[in-house]
Amino acid sequence: SAVISQKPSRDICQRGTSLTIQCQVDSQVTMMFWYRQQPGQSLTLIATANQGSEATYESGFVIDKFPISRPNLTFSTLTVSNMSPEDSSIYLCSVPRGYRECEQFFGPGTRLTVL
Amino acid sequence: AQTVTQSQPEMSVQEAETVTLSCTYDTSESDYYLFWYKQPPSRQMILVIRQEAYKQQNATENRFSVNFQKAAKSFSLKISDSQLGDAAMYFCAWGLMDSNYQLIWGAGTKLIIKP
Repeated sequence: SAVISQKPSRDICQRGTSLTIQCQVDSQVTMMFWYRQQPGQSLTLIATANQGSEATYESGFVIDKFPISRPNLTFSTLTVSNMSPEDSSIYLCSVPRGYRECEQFFGPGTRLTVL
Repeated sequence: AQTVTQSQPEMSVQEAETVTLSCTYDTSESDYYLFWYKQPPSRQMILVIRQEAYKQQNATENRFSVNFQKAAKSFSLKISDSQLGDAAMYFCAWGLMDSNYQLIWGAGTKLIIKP
């Protein structure tokens, strides 16, 4: 199984600022997923990040608000821009178990609180 | 479009007893996976059990087993001999076989273990 780390594990930010969340995987993966989990809610997919191409965003999420970088096969960042209290959530990255596998391994998540 | 429904927002069980969490789904696909993930207060999403739709035999993992009814599109999780460490949010998810397509998530069930 893949080992995934995320930084920071938690942060408290001021309204209007931006935060970049890092996701590091211990093996090379083509695809990485970024999720948002609002308090008491299920997971909502923000975008799929493929190395070497632009991220694919889900309905309701835009690149200006959630820019994603994928510089190599083991690393990705998600930035939450111009934050508001509504962005307070847990942000999770995940990777597929393998080629053409839908099962996912998850990072430990980043708990973001926006004041 | 695929949907996953968990109708129990919260369940409680006495330690050492058995509890069943419900999940129903809707899909027109014939080849897929179903998963149960656990998310304890630490936030880490952990795979509990997975079921391939083409298998008639229900999956089991130690104290965890599923009742998979393909025709009824039902996928319940049974936890036997409940332990305090089982307390968590449990999410049911659907995934398309032989693909890296995104998982479709249920709303989650909060499981409380009474000592």
